Amino acid sequence: EAGVVQSPRYKIIEKKQPVAFWCNPISGHNTLYWYLQNLGQGPELLIRYENEEAVDDSQLPKDRFSAERLKGVDSTLKIQPAELGDSAVYLCASSLGGTLGTDTQYFGPGTRLTVL
Amino acid sequence: DAKTTQPPSMDCAEGRAANLPCNHSTISGNEYVYWYRQIHSQGPQYIIHGLKNNETNEMASLIITEDRKSSTLILPHATLRDTAVYYCIVRARGGSNYKLTFGKGTLLTVNP
Repeated sequence: EAGVVQSPRYKIIEKKQPVAFWCNPISGHNTLYWYLQNLGQGPELLIRYENEEAVDDSQLPKDRFSAERLKGVDSTLKIQPAELGDSAVYLCASSLGGTLGTDTQYFGPGTRLTVL
Repeated sequence: DAKTTQPPSMDCAEGRAANLPCNHSTISGNEYVYWYRQIHSQGPQYIIHGLKNNETNEMASLIITEDRKSSTLILPHATLRDTAVYYCIVRARGGSNYKLTFGKGTLLTVNP
């Protein structure tokens, strides 16, 4: 079974440029998460989707970050314009969803963004 | 979610058991203990989770103390590929308790 797929794996851009990251979750997983991981730190949640609805975007810096999951499957995270401090790894995770019991999250390999 | 405390780093010889401790003294009755690991340049990988009973799967064993205030992840025969940062996370079950709060974890280095 394929895991969470992310692309690109690496991206280098100049500051003030836009950038987008793509995520394809595990088949059948209704819940999708975007996390940000700074160097030497653990991942931090940016946004969570239940199907196509963003149910928690409280940690997403909405002035420059946006995300979408139009058909409840793939998702795109965008930054416009990028700043030097956005250099980090952007991780996508997915889970089955639902409110019963535990709901294990499975992560993709991440996209490493470098802003020059 | 309860806070966890892990040693920043540990070493283990290849082929030996690696025992990674985690303290979660403020854990509440409905909170699970999760373990993830992150190999360099990869995303976090789910290992195992448990509530109060010991758990075992193909990757590892999880031993939770009777009072649930601490736990140990055991890799029975560590290999070089087990070198990674190991995260112990406490998370309540169900509902809106979906957030994984990662600390800094333990860097396990398996030496040849």
